Amino acid sequence: EAQVTQNPRYLITVTGKKLTVTCSQNMNHEYMSWYRQDPGLGLRQIYYSMNVEVTDKGDVPEGYKVSRKEKRNFPLILESPSPNQTSLYFCASSLGRGRSNQPQHFGDGTRLSIL
Amino acid sequence: QQPVQSPQAVILREGEDAVINCSSSKALYSVHWYRQKHGEAPVFLMILLKGGEQKGHEKISASFNEKKQQSSLYLTASQLSYSGTYFCGTEALLKPRTQGGSEKLVFGKGTKLTVNP
Repeated sequence: EAQVTQNPRYLITVTGKKLTVTCSQNMNHEYMSWYRQDPGLGLRQIYYSMNVEVTDKGDVPEGYKVSRKEKRNFPLILESPSPNQTSLYFCASSLGRGRSNQPQHFGDGTRLSIL
Repeated sequence: QQPVQSPQAVILREGEDAVINCSSSKALYSVHWYRQKHGEAPVFLMILLKGGEQKGHEKISASFNEKKQQSSLYLTASQLSYSGTYFCGTEALLKPRTQGGSEKLVFGKGTKLTVNP
């Protein structure tokens, strides 16, 4: 089954404790992206990747890191999480290849609470 | 820069129609529409490209006015299953891809649609 898989689905942690949210897709998609969703603010892009080893900042990259060492994986890293990063996070992928007319496939989301 | 969606919320009775608008301050290359039900991931509805429009899903259609930098989503004869939050996503090509222009999809804040029996 074609899908985008995020882990964990839920996480409660404390300020300053490094964490990684994994994202994996099995559709051979080139384009992957991370979003955060907060009430009233919609989906805001954190980072995106056009292909392996190619990443770029979205609209709200501060406090986050990403890497794209393999085509299928795009982990989101919070080196020193803070309470303002408490949010619902979505990973998404699409065919990409320099064309925008490709739908984004979203993972089920990761609800992150930082105390 | 986020596109602006209107209205922010709309309540319908089953069978009524609704229009959701999405406007941008930038020249657009494409507009995406997604629907998100509570507690779930956004689901793709359709994409509209510069120079055309695309109808892609049940009784839901959309238009794309390039000159006005606007898109509208039309929901006709609404069903209970249409309830959810609708997001538009816009892509503005800031520079040609041959010069490193990249795909950056920016979503609006969403329109919450409630369909009641």
